[in-house]
Amino acid sequence: DAGITQSPRYKITETGRQVTLMCHQTWSHSYMFWYRQDLGHGLRLIYYSAAADITDKGEVPDGYVVSRSKTENFPLTLESATRSQTSVYFCASSVLEETQYFGPGTRLLVL
Amino acid sequence: AQTVTQSQPEMSVQEAETVTLSCTYDTSESDYYLFWYKQPPSRQMILVIRQEAYKQQNATENRFSVNFQKAAKSFSLKISDSQLGDAAMYFCALKTGTASKLTFGTGTRLQVTL
Repeated sequence: DAGITQSPRYKITETGRQVTLMCHQTWSHSYMFWYRQDLGHGLRLIYYSAAADITDKGEVPDGYVVSRSKTENFPLTLESATRSQTSVYFCASSVLEETQYFGPGTRLLVL
Repeated sequence: AQTVTQSQPEMSVQEAETVTLSCTYDTSESDYYLFWYKQPPSRQMILVIRQEAYKQQNATENRFSVNFQKAAKSFSLKISDSQLGDAAMYFCALKTGTASKLTFGTGTRLQVTL
């Protein structure tokens, strides 16, 4: 039972480059989420998806793009990475009214 | 908009003792859920306990229990018989609405000493 996985686990990139973080879940959960975790802010929601082809903005969506062509995948793309996007990114999934389960996180450093 | 406040950035407890982590929240909705997540050094977010707002009974999971005061909008976590493995960041989180979006507090770092 793989659950929810994220790749890569660590990524170093340069300002201006495009970066895609992958998230895959094996539970067939309808909802998927992307959060970023920064010191002093806890976790903040970037984007979420209620089902395939349905996405919506969260609290801090600027500079990010998401897509969800398949229920099990929810990639997050930084179109032109900036230093302020250095963070730890968590993907999560849930059934509608149930608990969110989190992936292991991706640590991203933008130089 | 909803907010979650954790006013204790750091707490310390001796092994086998009991510690309580505080959390207050604000929401205008009547239907919501509250959670405590644990984040050990591995950074994995692990669910500790969950409370439905419509339930009056406080949730309990083994050594972990909550004190849910709905009128005061307070949701504290009590850890009994603390163990070294309990050392972690603890996040309080609030879920409202049908979208299951979570609002997190800024976390409390718990240290467990011998």
